[in-house]
Amino acid sequence: GENVEQHPSTLSVQEGDSAVIKCTYSDSASNYFPWYKQELGKRPQLIIDIRSNVGEKKDQRIAVTLNKTAKHFSLHITETQPEDSAVYFCAASIGYGNNRLAFGKGNQVVVIP
Amino acid sequence: ETGVTQTPRHLVMGMTNKKSLKCEQHLGHNAMYWYKQSAKKPLELMFVYSLEERVENNSVPSRFSPECPNSSHLFLHLHTLQPEDSALYLCASSTGRGAAANEKLFFGSGTQLSVL
Repeated sequence: GENVEQHPSTLSVQEGDSAVIKCTYSDSASNYFPWYKQELGKRPQLIIDIRSNVGEKKDQRIAVTLNKTAKHFSLHITETQPEDSAVYFCAASIGYGNNRLAFGKGNQVVVIP
Repeated sequence: ETGVTQTPRHLVMGMTNKKSLKCEQHLGHNAMYWYKQSAKKPLELMFVYSLEERVENNSVPSRFSPECPNSSHLFLHLHTLQPEDSALYLCASSTGRGAAANEKLFFGSGTQLSVL
């Protein structure tokens, strides 16, 4: 089955600096890669996603890059703010017709004021 | 609020108890999901219902029994659970008709379950 790995498990950054979280996946047929953000005590929420026909996607301070050859994709957060502190989950589509998601274990990002 | 409501927020039960978790979505979505969230582990898909029909049972133990009476309501019936079943149980919904992977998931706040 699909194996989605996230690195690092915990990341601390100074406010204003950039944060980068990397995910690797094992199934070369995966074609959809979302990122979910979960603040402490709150529900996960989709923040950005990318499909395999695109190499990069940006939404304000958040961007995602995809390297299909190496089978990894990364979340980039620029000009980090305290409200960016959360657990970030990556996922990759799996299954027949890519109809399911496999999630990673999550990265704890801490933005230090 | 995202329109997905779960009750109760917290539940403590013994291994011989029977309880149910409830989820309701007010978004007009066609698919609903149960996920299990354990510390330091990936989100684990338990069940998917699309248009009230269960499309997948991800090898979940039979002590977990889902019920979807209509497209807006989803239940998870629990009986004779084990301590290792303690976790946050998240309900989610998505639009579309096939519960496809590329549909945005709208999560509820979850039920924090403790099995003693």
